Amino acid sequence: GENVEQHPSTLSVQEGDSAVIKCTYSDSASNYFPWYKQELGKGPQLIIDIRSNVGEKKDQRIAVTLNKTAKHFSLHITETQPEDSAVYFCAASTTGNQFYFGTGTSLTVIP
Amino acid sequence: DAGVIQSPRHEVTEMGQEVTLRCKPISGHNSLFWYRQTMMRGLELLIYFNNNVPIDDSGMPEDRFSAKMPNASFSTLKIQPSEPRDSAVYFCASSLNGINEKLFFGSGTQLSVL
Repeated sequence: GENVEQHPSTLSVQEGDSAVIKCTYSDSASNYFPWYKQELGKGPQLIIDIRSNVGEKKDQRIAVTLNKTAKHFSLHITETQPEDSAVYFCAASTTGNQFYFGTGTSLTVIP
Repeated sequence: DAGVIQSPRHEVTEMGQEVTLRCKPISGHNSLFWYRQTMMRGLELLIYFNNNVPIDDSGMPEDRFSAKMPNASFSTLKIQPSEPRDSAVYFCASSLNGINEKLFFGSGTQLSVL
């Protein structure tokens, strides 16, 4: 099955700085790459996703980039705010198959 | 919409007892998923249903675990008998149609088996 690796496991940034989280995957057939944000005591919430026919997608301060050749994708958060502090998970899947989640990145934004 | 609703939020039980977790998916969603989250193993898919039919239960750890979806608006995950190693957060999620779509998670059930 798919193997998704996520780095770093923890990340601290100053408020206003950018944060970047990277994931690699093993199955070249993977074609859907969502990112989830999990706040303490809550379930993961989808924040952005990208499909394999697109190289980059933006939504306000959040962007995701995908490099299919290298089999990696990244989450970029600009102008970070304290409310961005959470655990972020990447995932990868192929059509008709389950998501394989990364191990998570705990992001702390220091005011 | 209220989102995916799970109950109870917390469950503390003793080893050997039966545990039943409940889930109400988002109205109109055809697919429902049960996940387990632990520090050691992260998020694991246990089972998923499409149109109330179990499609893939290969993630169910063992026969002590069972799941049902009697109708489009309700599902249960049962553990009988429970063991301390079952302690985890159990999430229910739903999607509009299928496994390769946006998942909407509930708030989870924190299960502690003593």
